[in-house]
Amino acid sequence: QKEVEQNSGPLSVPEGAIASLNCTYSDRGSQSFFWYRQYSGKSPELIMSIYSNGDKEDGRFTAQLNKASQYVSLLIRDSQPSDSATYLCAVNRSGTYKYIFGTGTRLKVLA
Amino acid sequence: SAVISQKPSRDICQRGTSLTIQCQVDSQVTMMFWYRQQPGQSLTLIATANQGSEATYESGFVIDKFPISRPNLTFSTLTVSNMSPEDSSIYLCSVGGQSQETQYFGPGTRLLVL
Repeated sequence: QKEVEQNSGPLSVPEGAIASLNCTYSDRGSQSFFWYRQYSGKSPELIMSIYSNGDKEDGRFTAQLNKASQYVSLLIRDSQPSDSATYLCAVNRSGTYKYIFGTGTRLKVLA
Repeated sequence: SAVISQKPSRDICQRGTSLTIQCQVDSQVTMMFWYRQQPGQSLTLIATANQGSEATYESGFVIDKFPISRPNLTFSTLTVSNMSPEDSSIYLCSVGGQSQETQYFGPGTRLLVL
């Protein structure tokens, strides 16, 4: 089992729809969870961090965390073509500041 | 967040040679990391660059192949030694944010080894 798993996609959604990106992790001791966006040829850009169970909203983005199920998700409301990118889930290795990254989900927002 | 720069932004190198990548931050940071992103892959942590002491390497990465320097709290270098085509990758430095848990990435160095 991979330490951090994501569906590679591509996930295609029409413009204006909600995009739902999912991530599962294996380390029960992980406490910090992050979503990064990476455009082709660019470096990852931090979108959201979440540390507690439940939802955290920031503009069009909502991160959801369920530690019991070892599951973290990212919802993008009112998806725009400019949201088309690869979304990387990162989880800290328990007791450290080190991240483990998933392989990323490629999102395509269709105009 | 801190402004991070990397040099060079890209390079094409011959096998058997070495390349040193620089990472400069506009403010002092405690945590600094080096990652590799191979074509079509996700990010893999190479090492944590520790100021004033040797870097801490992840499993599968060794100091002889990837020597790292961290002379102060704003600068680090990663050297890719005795390169082979398998070292072709993007190399990224990242720094810890005000919240130590968060990391911000530099623009990356795109390396092609022929």
